[in-house]
Amino acid sequence: QIQLQESGPGLVKPSETLSLTCTVSGGSINNYYWSWIRQPPGKGLEWIGYIYYSGSTNYNPSLKSRVTISVDTSKNQFSLKLSSVTAADTAIYYCARTLHPISSSWYYDFWGQGTLVTVSS
Amino acid sequence: SSELTQDPAVSVALGQTVRITCQGDSLRNYDASWYQQKPGQAPLLVIYGKNNRPSGIPDRFSGSSSGNTASLTITGAQAEDEADYYCHSRDSSGNHSFGGGTKLTVL
Repeated sequence: QIQLQESGPGLVKPSETLSLTCTVSGGSINNYYWSWIRQPPGKGLEWIGYIYYSGSTNYNPSLKSRVTISVDTSKNQFSLKLSSVTAADTAIYYCARTLHPISSSWYYDFWGQGTLVTVSS
Repeated sequence: SSELTQDPAVSVALGQTVRITCQGDSLRNYDASWYQQKPGQAPLLVIYGKNNRPSGIPDRFSGSSSGNTASLTITGAQAEDEADYYCHSRDSSGNHSFGGGTKLTVL
């Protein structure tokens, strides 16, 4: 059974860079897409972006200028960096395995438990 | 990115059938996936593709789609189905989005 675990600081100062890592266990990171999704407290889900194990990425246009997702296949990990954060970036951040068996069907089958990141001075 | 619209709240009597809908232009060409989220938990995939359930999801959950609307139907709703439900899809630009979520109350 695939398991994902987010890790990183729970508190980040405004204007600084949020950095999170997702460690995948129980399976290989190879040959899959991996996503970051966030959820502000009491609100809905927002797609941040994804990375293929080979390193190709796709980001939410509204966050693209501030987001970098990278992968380290040797560690079975992928990471998120979000720069110039503000209070609006306070959210639970989830990592998820992303499948698309056909081009018209994409979905997230395994999720991490999520980690709350608060942006505050 | 594309917009997906869901009703904020829906209620259903115990044992009855409820349909949760999701509207968006991207749904004409891309399948929706559906997620159940209970308080304090990560989302859980319940429907993907045309109408596929992951292992462990009860068969009372089903999905369908027509035009720009995707639907999640729960036939014989149980108390444990009370949760927030989110639809998801990608669009022709490769962007992904979630609906705003529907809070399901089982009466």
